[in-house]
Amino acid sequence: SQQGEEDPQALSIQEGENATMNCSYKTSINNLQWYRQNSGRGLVHLILIRSNEREKHSGRLRVTLDTSKKSSSLLITASRAADTASYFCATVASGSRLTFGEGTQLTVNP
Amino acid sequence: DGGITQSPKYLFRKEGQNVTLSCEQNLNHDAMYWYRQDPGQGLRLIYYSQIVNDFQKGDIAEGYSVSREKKESFPLTVTSAQKNPTAFYLCASSIPLAPRTQYFGPGTRLTVL
Repeated sequence: SQQGEEDPQALSIQEGENATMNCSYKTSINNLQWYRQNSGRGLVHLILIRSNEREKHSGRLRVTLDTSKKSSSLLITASRAADTASYFCATVASGSRLTFGEGTQLTVNP
Repeated sequence: DGGITQSPKYLFRKEGQNVTLSCEQNLNHDAMYWYRQDPGQGLRLIYYSQIVNDFQKGDIAEGYSVSREKKESFPLTVTSAQKNPTAFYLCASSIPLAPRTQYFGPGTRLTVL
C-alpha cells in the first residue's frame, strides 16, 4: 500500500497565486522527496528534505516537514501556467525503496 | 547526455503475448526500478535491482519478469499471466544509498488490444 497520501487530489488556481499541497505518511522516514510529472511523461525530482530538517527552499518551492505529525507540505509561490502538472511525494524509510503517494493534480489557469 | 531512456514510447500487444520493455541508463547508477502507473493514480513498484545479477519483487510483481545482466540495462517483460497489463510503465535509476533520489525515463505506454 502507498505510504504517502497527498491532499488535495486536485487543485485549480490562477496564475500568480500560491499553491499548497500536503502529504501524510505512516511510518518513520529517512527523507521525503517531491516529484513533478507532466502529463504522459516521466517524473522529475524537485526537492528533498531529510528527517532532521524542518524547512527547505529551492527557487519558488518551499517544503516543510513535521515528523511529529508525519506530514509535509509543498508550497509553490507565484504559480505559472507551466507549473501545471501532477505532484507526488515519496518517502524513504529504511531499506532501498521510495514509496510514492497518489499525487495532486495542479492546474494553473492563465 | 547522461540520462535514462525507455523504448518504445508506445507499445501495442495482443492478449496472450509476452512483450519486453527496454530501459537503459548511462548515469552509472547501481540501482534500477520499474513502476506501473494507472490513469490518475500514483506509482506502484513492480521490481527493483540494487546491483547487477540481483533483483527483488516489489508490490505488484505477479505477471512480470526482469533481468539485470548489465549495469546499464534493466528490461521488463510483461507476460501473458499479467491479467490487466494496459498501463504506463516507468523505469528509474538511483545510487543504492540514501537519499535514493530517482531519475526517471520518459515511460512506455502499453496497450493490450
